[in-house]
Amino acid sequence: GAVVSQHPSRVICKSGTSVKIECRSLDFQATTMFWYRQFPKQSLMLMATSNEGSKATYEQGVEKDKFLINHASLTLSTLTVTSAHPEDSSFYICSATTSGGREAFFGQGTRLTVV
Amino acid sequence: GENVEQHPSTLSVQEGDSAVIKCTYSDSASNYFPWYKQELGKRPQLIIDIRSNVGEKKDQRIAVTLNKTAKHFSLHITETQPEDSAVYFCAASRAGGGADGLTFGKGTHLIIQP
Repeated sequence: GAVVSQHPSRVICKSGTSVKIECRSLDFQATTMFWYRQFPKQSLMLMATSNEGSKATYEQGVEKDKFLINHASLTLSTLTVTSAHPEDSSFYICSATTSGGREAFFGQGTRLTVV
Repeated sequence: GENVEQHPSTLSVQEGDSAVIKCTYSDSASNYFPWYKQELGKRPQLIIDIRSNVGEKKDQRIAVTLNKTAKHFSLHITETQPEDSAVYFCAASRAGGGADGLTFGKGTHLIIQP
């Protein structure tokens, strides 16, 4: 199957700083990528849809100024958590689908801890 | 928007027995229903999926059934094995996970008792 790579896998940052997470489709082009957040022992919640060359679409309740998404190329989307606070600590995971496909391939996720 | 309900939240079965997890969805326009298995700290892995034009699909020990009229779908695992222990998520989408993101159920922690 297609491969989606996410980096970093773990990051610890100080409160008030910003953190960038990268999501890459390694062997296919992805015009659309999705960002999810997963709190411990909870489900995956869709945060936003990242579209190559245009602005991201955010789900209700997700602050677009806090979670900046940039889809600069057909193989790369980035999520920047700005002015991070301890309550932003979570597992962030991206997914992408091949052109014409239906299966969503997930990155390995990023465990963010804000101290 | 779409709302997916999943039951039970925890399911414990004896090794060799069958396990059934049920989901309902609210958006009648949803047409793609995948099931994911997630082990602790790892990414979700697709185990089976079904489109709305099909009522049942089977892959070895795993099967999914869909009742579009009632807006519910179920995962069936037969002859359970210890390696089946994990959290299972159902999901729904309008466009096969491509142009539309997935709405996930809350998950079922499946425990296989030896």
